[in-house]
Amino acid sequence: DVKVTQSSRYLVKRTGEKVFLECVQDMDHENMFWYRQDPGLGLRLIYFSYDVKMKEKGDIPEGYSVSREKKERFSLILESASTNQTSMYLCASSPTGMGNTGELFFGEGSRLTVL
Amino acid sequence: AQSVTQPDIHITVSEGASLELRCNYSYGATPYLFWYVQSPGQGLQLLLKYFSGDTLVQGIKGFEAEFKRSQSSFNLRKPSVHWSDAAEYFCAVGSGYSTLTFGKGTMLLVSP
Repeated sequence: DVKVTQSSRYLVKRTGEKVFLECVQDMDHENMFWYRQDPGLGLRLIYFSYDVKMKEKGDIPEGYSVSREKKERFSLILESASTNQTSMYLCASSPTGMGNTGELFFGEGSRLTVL
Repeated sequence: AQSVTQPDIHITVSEGASLELRCNYSYGATPYLFWYVQSPGQGLQLLLKYFSGDTLVQGIKGFEAEFKRSQSSFNLRKPSVHWSDAAEYFCAVGSGYSTLTFGKGTMLLVSP
């Protein structure tokens, strides 16, 4: 069974803290993504990665960075958390190559609260 | 630029009644279209997808969707809604060569 695992389901952090959100997939997918989800705004793409050590900015990269040192792992980093980064964060992966339709496979999400 | 519009933020349907959730898209080439469902506190699960062939596609949990190129639509339907279908539904457009763009979602409420 395919699986995308986000290490923390719920986190509470203080303003100014550095926050790491970890995501691991076991499907050998090349592509990995970080979205944030807010009520009324849907899913917005923060960053994505097509390969190890590669990263691309999405629609809302400000205040975030990412790291992909291994194919199966994609980390989202909040260098100095702020209250407006309180949100649900969703990690996803997808394959490339023949038959790729762009379908995403999602983790269960990490709900971050910044106080 | 690609975009997705889900005109209905909330929809309430009686249990056993039929359901149609609307989705309109804008895409410069032949689109791949997706419907995902999200239960409270969970990630997104794929319901169905369209990328070629028959314009009426069947998905899991008894859902289906019809691709209408002339209307740029990909509406989701179910003939008889169950209480467990209460969730948020997202339509998305993309391809194997672009990232997916999601609509803002439609929250489905099911009344007894």
